[in-house]
Amino acid sequence: DVKVTQSSRYLVKRTGEKVFLECVQDMDHENMFWYRQDPGLGLRLIYFSYDVKMKEKGDIPEGYSVSREKKERFSLILESASTNQTSMYLCAISDRAPDTQYFGPGTRLTVL
Amino acid sequence: AQSVTQLDSQVPVFEEAPVELRCNYSSSVSVYLFWYVQYPNQGLQLLLKYLSGSTLVKGINGFEAEFNKSQTSFHLRKPSVHISDTAEYFCAVSGSGNTGKLIFGQGTTLQVKP
Repeated sequence: DVKVTQSSRYLVKRTGEKVFLECVQDMDHENMFWYRQDPGLGLRLIYFSYDVKMKEKGDIPEGYSVSREKKERFSLILESASTNQTSMYLCAISDRAPDTQYFGPGTRLTVL
Repeated sequence: AQSVTQLDSQVPVFEEAPVELRCNYSSSVSVYLFWYVQYPNQGLQLLLKYLSGSTLVKGINGFEAEFNKSQTSFHLRKPSVHISDTAEYFCAVSGSGNTGKLIFGQGTTLQVKP
């Protein structure tokens, strides 16, 4: 079974805080993705990585950065959290393209 | 640019009735299409996918979808739904290139009533 683990299920932060969301996989897959999910908007891609230390911007990268120092771990960083970043954040992995993406359980982030 | 449109935001249906969730896409290149399901408070899981071959694709939990190239559609169907099918359903198309990027539709909430 594919396992994608996200560091927290629920997180509450204050405006201006630096926030780290972590995603860990146990499948040795090349590609890792960060999405945010908002009602009525579906999933929107923030960043993705196709190799260690490699990253590319998705559709909505503003206000976010990422880090992939090891193949199994992909971190999403909110440099200075704002209330409009309150959302569900989903991590996904895939082995090759095009093929199935496997998702983690999500982190529901609230920024007060 | 590729895009996906799910035509219904909510679909209410009675238990044991048939259901169709509609998905249309736009793409100028070969497409690969996916349907995912999200149960409450969970991540997404794959229902089915079309990569090539037969245009009728069967997935888990009795769902199937038909790829229609001329109508640029990939509608999801189930002949008889259960209460447990209540969830949000997402249609997705693979992005161009070989990075595995997916472009998702807005989602359709299926509400199965007893």
